[in-house]
Amino acid sequence: KQEVTQIPAALSVPEGENLVLNCSFTDSAIYNLQWFRQDPGKGLTSLLLIQSSQREQTSGRLNASLDKSSGRSTLYIAASQPGDSATYLCAVVVDTGNQFYFGTGTSLTVIP
Amino acid sequence: NAGVTQTPKFQVLKTGQSMTLQCAQDMNHEYMSWYRQDPGMGLRLIHYSVGAGITDQGEVPNGYNVSRSTTEDFPLRLLSAAPSQTSVYFCASSYSGPTGEQFFGPGTRLTVL
Repeated sequence: KQEVTQIPAALSVPEGENLVLNCSFTDSAIYNLQWFRQDPGKGLTSLLLIQSSQREQTSGRLNASLDKSSGRSTLYIAASQPGDSATYLCAVVVDTGNQFYFGTGTSLTVIP
Repeated sequence: NAGVTQTPKFQVLKTGQSMTLQCAQDMNHEYMSWYRQDPGMGLRLIHYSVGAGITDQGEVPNGYNVSRSTTEDFPLRLLSAAPSQTSVYFCASSYSGPTGEQFFGPGTRLTVL
């Protein structure tokens, strides 16, 4: 069974810093990986989707990379803002499966 | 577009009661799914559907039933609520199954006493 781990569980940074969130998975036979944002009491919003054949995806200040062979993905947030404060989750779809496997998330606080 | 809507937002049940969590989407998505989110465990798939009339079990299906009579609606039924089903429930939909961008509803917070 695919296991997805996100470290650290919580992160607090001052406004303006660049930061990296980590996601690791145990089974490298994935179809894709997605990063989501979750605000308190709300649903999930898709941020970036990386296909297994891709190395990275970018959207604005966000850049996600994927290294399938090592079972790792990183989400890079440039010039962090207080509005970036949220929980960030990664999820993978395995090649032969029909579901996502989610990590437990990293709770990010950006201090003004 | 309203996107994915869920009702109710909050619900308190007593052990043994039954109820239905509603989920609807107006994006004409074929793939819909239900997750539960528990502290320290991440989201886990309960049931999913790849189209009207087709449903399948996910990782944690016990105690839950689903049906999909229309493309728009995918209700989740708790047959006999247990305290272990206290959780936040999310419905999601996608145009191209789990391999495409997922759209999530705002969630239903359920407490079973």
